[in-house]
Amino acid sequence: DQQVKQNSPSLSVQEGRISILNCDYTNSMFDYFLWYKKYPAEGPTFLISISSIKDKNEDGRFTVFLNKSAKHLSLHIVPSQPGDSAVYFCAASAGGGSNYKLTFGKGTLLTVNP
Amino acid sequence: DAGITQSPRHKVTETGTPVTLRCHQTENHRYMYWYRQDPGHGLRLIHYSYGVKDTDKGEVSDGYSVSRSKTEDFLLTLESATSSQTSVYFCAIGRPPQRSSSYNEQFFGPGTRLTVL
Repeated sequence: DQQVKQNSPSLSVQEGRISILNCDYTNSMFDYFLWYKKYPAEGPTFLISISSIKDKNEDGRFTVFLNKSAKHLSLHIVPSQPGDSAVYFCAASAGGGSNYKLTFGKGTLLTVNP
Repeated sequence: DAGITQSPRHKVTETGTPVTLRCHQTENHRYMYWYRQDPGHGLRLIHYSYGVKDTDKGEVSDGYSVSRSKTEDFLLTLESATSSQTSVYFCAIGRPPQRSSSYNEQFFGPGTRLTVL
């Protein structure tokens, strides 16, 4: 039973446009959400996070939105750049009571075309 | 850079042989995690540690064991490697974004590519 779902295996956008990556979760105990970016042959890199007490967090070109009632979060990248081409993983945590374990989605491959 | 190294970076071994992967951190973080990444599965937690000699199972722990005898090292052992354990293995440390934060974020090492023939 997948608790974190990324339903789009891939996404292709033009350089300069907005990329929107989506993630759904089922476990209502999750209270902290993270996005990671992964290039081939490298470890995942932390990108941005949001706690359940917020509905938006912004860091430069990256914004994460959280809709708790829908159990949905999204990552917006504006403007998209070719260097953003990577696999993006959504992850969720139920906090210290679960030893801060993360549950990951299967990832979305983003391709930004010049 | 969270000061995480993994060794070896690549390994080819034969079915039935024991294999140990090492994760080393330089920053004294309490929480450490081992994941495997496979196509179509994302990242799956194998085992984790919440302190020296304190470890627990993740979602795909069968066939794996871990040890943490000191803060900086977290070892993952495949007692008798099987072809289904061919994968890329990532170690991660968990740390709060700020000292007062009640959340942890995880930072990953570069990975070990293991092939079991």
